[in-house]
Amino acid sequence: DAGITQSPRHKVTETGTPVTLRCHQTENHRYMYWYRQDPGHGLRLIHYSYGVKDTDKGEVSDGYSVSRSKTEDFLLTLESATSSQTSVYFCAISVRGPGNTEAFFGQGTRLTVV
Amino acid sequence: SQELEQSPQSLIVQEGKNLTINCTSSKTLYGLYWYKQKYGEGLIFLMMLQKGGEEKSHEKITAKLDEKKQQSSLHITASQPSHAGIYLCGADSGGSNYKLTFGKGTLLTVNP
Repeated sequence: DAGITQSPRHKVTETGTPVTLRCHQTENHRYMYWYRQDPGHGLRLIHYSYGVKDTDKGEVSDGYSVSRSKTEDFLLTLESATSSQTSVYFCAISVRGPGNTEAFFGQGTRLTVV
Repeated sequence: SQELEQSPQSLIVQEGKNLTINCTSSKTLYGLYWYKQKYGEGLIFLMMLQKGGEEKSHEKITAKLDEKKQQSSLHITASQPSHAGIYLCGADSGGSNYKLTFGKGTLLTVNP
């Protein structure tokens, strides 16, 4: 699993409150990703990072921000949570080697906005 | 941006039958990933294809990337209930940033 840990695993929050999800890796991989998964939509990319302080937007970045101040941590922040952001959030890292590449996922964070 | 279309969206088969899931890209594929997910759980990496014509197998699952690198197929031989789940294909954008996007998934049900 390439040492990926997501926290928290479950969270219930109220509309309008800020929420931060953390993705932590232990192996100093460069590429990290945040996705949300909703029925009928598959995995949709929110933001991704290709190095410390290097991030870019994905398909559904509105309402989300990210930060990567050190290699091992990639934080996803919902500035003001809305019910439409109720979802399961997955973090992933891409492990690239000669002739082969794999992407490993965390176990997911189930977020409910009430 | 690159879009991935998976077909079918869902599939119900009888145990022992073969099946195929397709993944078609709007752009050339630099890397194509296949994952399996059990409901409510994380994603399990199956295999990754990079070269046109490349074919890989994992137990009874075989995936192939076509020569033009715009379509991949995942084939399961003699399906079992343990194969049930959601199959997702993902694509690497290439370049230096390696944006990784996914299709909507195919829900596979295998009836005993």
